Amino acid sequence: GENVEQHPSTLSVQEGDSAVIKCTYSDSASNYFPWYKQELGKRPQLIIDIRSNVGEKKDQRIAVTLNKTAKHFSLHITETQPEDSAVYFCAASGVDSNYQLIWGAGTKLIIKP
Amino acid sequence: EAQVTQNPRYLITVTGKKLTVTCSQNMNHEYMSWYRQDPGLGLRQIYYSMNVEVTDKGDVPEGYKVSRKEKRNFPLILESPSPNQTSLYFCASSSRLARETQYFGPGTRLLVL
Repeated sequence: GENVEQHPSTLSVQEGDSAVIKCTYSDSASNYFPWYKQELGKRPQLIIDIRSNVGEKKDQRIAVTLNKTAKHFSLHITETQPEDSAVYFCAASGVDSNYQLIWGAGTKLIIKP
Repeated sequence: EAQVTQNPRYLITVTGKKLTVTCSQNMNHEYMSWYRQDPGLGLRQIYYSMNVEVTDKGDVPEGYKVSRKEKRNFPLILESPSPNQTSLYFCASSSRLARETQYFGPGTRLLVL
């Protein structure tokens, strides 16, 4: 079945710098890759997603890139701000997982003032 | 307001005492899931349901039961809770047309003594 690995587990960056979180997946049939943000004590919320027919997607300061050949996708956050501090989860799904999301273990992003 | 609700939000119980965590959504979503979240392990799916009276095991179903008698409700039942079921539990729902985009409830923090 699908397996999703996420790195790093913790990422500390200076406010204003960029942050990159990477995920790799094992099932080449996976075709949907969302990113969720979970602030402390709150529920996970979808921030951006990408489908396998697209290589990159942007939404203001966040972007996701997908490399289908290498089976990895990344979340990019530019001009980081204190409110970006959270745990970020990647996930993958497709027909082989019955469209259920297979989750990465999460990355704790710390923005240093 | 479109939402997923869970009750209770916090629960302390003892080993072996049956408990139910309720989940309800008002978005007429076909798909519902239960996850547990543990430090370093991310979100692991317990059970999911693709429609009324249709449920399937996720990655960690042992010790849990679910039912889907109505479209809006998807209770999680722990018949005989054990300390290793101490965790943060999330219910999530999604629509048939966008089944991979999940909306999470606020979470239930369970402590089994």
